[in-house]
Order: sequence, then structure tokens, then C-alpha cells
Amino acid sequence: EDQVTQSPEALRLQEGESSSLNCSYTVSGLRGLFWYRQDPGKGPEFLFTLYSAGEEKEKERLKATLTKKESFLHITAPKPEDSATYLCAVQKRNSGGYQKVTFGIGTKLQVIP
Amino acid sequence: DAGVIQSPRHEVTEMGQEVTLRCKPISGHNSLFWYRQTMMRGLELLIYFNNNVPIDDSGMPEDRFSAKMPNASFSTLKIQPSEPRDSAVYFCASRRGGNEQFFGPGTRLTVL
Repeated sequence: EDQVTQSPEALRLQEGESSSLNCSYTVSGLRGLFWYRQDPGKGPEFLFTLYSAGEEKEKERLKATLTKKESFLHITAPKPEDSATYLCAVQKRNSGGYQKVTFGIGTKLQVIP
Repeated sequence: DAGVIQSPRHEVTEMGQEVTLRCKPISGHNSLFWYRQTMMRGLELLIYFNNNVPIDDSGMPEDRFSAKMPNASFSTLKIQPSEPRDSAVYFCASRRGGNEQFFGPGTRLTVL
């Protein structure tokens, strides 16, 4: 069974204090790994898609990386507006055409001014 | 584009009542997903439609839950009868091809 484990569950950072969120996954045949941001009371908002080990994507203070077993979301010099829950999801490669997506529970990030 | 539209945004009902949640996907997207989100279990896939056809409904909790997609621009998720343990936030998401999903704002359901 596909599994996605995110750690830590919650993270509190001072403004400017860089850190990383982890997403460990077990899936037979990865088609893609997604990172989403979710603000309270809103739906998840797409950030990145990573397809193969070694791939990196960047957006402002965020950088996502991928290995064969895990992905990291690096946050450089975070600001209070980066506070949100960050969700990781894996999409399985399926020859039948159905590409199921499995989400992790998420990491709740709080950045303190 | 207006994004994925869901209604209502909030629903409070009493146990035993029928609840219908509605979703309008992004135009041109051929896949639609219904999720349920709780603190304990996170985002759980309930059902997935591709080209208006249900492909995977293995996540539907029980027969009290049903979903339809009569056309490419509308889907409903119905709970009948509702129970307190159905209280959660229900999200609809749409996707074009095998790419990322775009989520709606969600419906917060409270069953008393």
C-alpha cells in the first residue's frame, strides 16, 4: 500500500530561521510527487511537482528536492506569511491509466516575527 | 478562470438529514476528485471521476455516501442519512490529464 509520511507534524520557526520539511514515501512506481500549501479555511494550493530523483524546483523562499525515498521542502529565511500547513502527495504510475494520488497528513509551519 | 467552485461553504444539519454538496470543476479539466479532510486522518480520497465516469470509489465510507457527475461541469456528493462522524471539510478538486490537482475552497459540514 502506498504511504506518505511527513515530519515534523508541526514546526515553529523564528523569522529568518531556515529549515526543512520532510516527506518520506513508499510507492511502487512513482509518477510524480507534489507539494501543496494549505492556509486555514482554504483548499490546498499547488506549489511544485517533482518527477525524478535529483530534480529540484524553486519558488521564492521555497525549494523542493526529490530522492528515491523522500522529498524535502527547504524554507530559506522564512517570513510570517509562510505560515501554513504544507502537504506532500505522491502519484502512482499505473499502466491502466488511473494515477491515484495519496496525501500525507502535512506539516504545520508557524513563523514567528 | 474562477477556479473550482463549491457550495455551500458551510452546512450545519441534524443527524439523519440528507446533505448534498456541489462542485463545479475548472473548465477543460477532465478529472474530478472528492476528498474529506479531518485532523486525525488528513485528506482522504472518496471518489475519482474521469471524463464524468466514476473510476475509483473505494474511498466512499459506506452506502450512505453517493456521488454523481452528470456532465463535465457539475458534480454532487450526497450523504443520506448523515451522522455526526461525517463532520469534516469536504473538498472537490479537478485536474487536466495527469497533472496537479486544483482544489476548491471546501465545504465545512457539521452534523449535530
